[in-house]
Amino acid sequence: ELKVEQNPLFLSMQEGKNYTIYCNYSTTSDRLYWYRQDPGKSLESLFVLLSNGAVKQEGRLMASLDTKARLSTLHITAAVHDLSATYFCAVDGETSGSRLTFGEGTQLTVNP
Amino acid sequence: GAGVSQSPRYKVTKRGQDVALRCDPISGHVSLYWYRQALGQGPEFLTYFNYEAQQDKSGLPNDRFSAERPEGSISTLTIQRTEQRDSAMYRCASSLTDLQYEQYFGPGTRLTVT
Repeated sequence: ELKVEQNPLFLSMQEGKNYTIYCNYSTTSDRLYWYRQDPGKSLESLFVLLSNGAVKQEGRLMASLDTKARLSTLHITAAVHDLSATYFCAVDGETSGSRLTFGEGTQLTVNP
Repeated sequence: GAGVSQSPRYKVTKRGQDVALRCDPISGHVSLYWYRQALGQGPEFLTYFNYEAQQDKSGLPNDRFSAERPEGSISTLTIQRTEQRDSAMYRCASSLTDLQYEQYFGPGTRLTVT
């Protein structure tokens, strides 16, 4: 059974600080996705990582993928309040085709 | 352009009733997915279609759940004889194809079974 684990599950940080969210998965898939969800809203696609060593950056967020370690990281640089949301990573396993398996989510709160 | 739309946005039903949830994918998207999301959890896969063909229904919890996409566009997820444990947010997503990896999610239907 494919498992996706995120940590931490809850993260409270000060504005201006840096932090990293970790996503471990149990399959050999090379494809990993990061989504953002605001309270009461749908999921917004942030990054699609398609190969080992892939790194993508958008604003204060940077995502990377290490398929050998089955690990992806979402790094937050100089956090601002607008980044407060729940962040999910998801994987589609090589035997599960296009179905995404999501982690539990990391609830991020950025305090002024 | 228009994103994925779902209707109704909220549905309250009594235990034992049947419900039908509708998803209208992004125009031209071949692949359509259904997920269920419990409060505080990530979405959980239910089923998916390429065009009108149901490719994988292994995530449907039991035979009370079914889905169809008869013309390869709009899809309906039907839950028969609803139970309280069916209460959740039901989300639909679409992608250009199942090889075009990015899935775009709709706003969801919040189902409450009383």
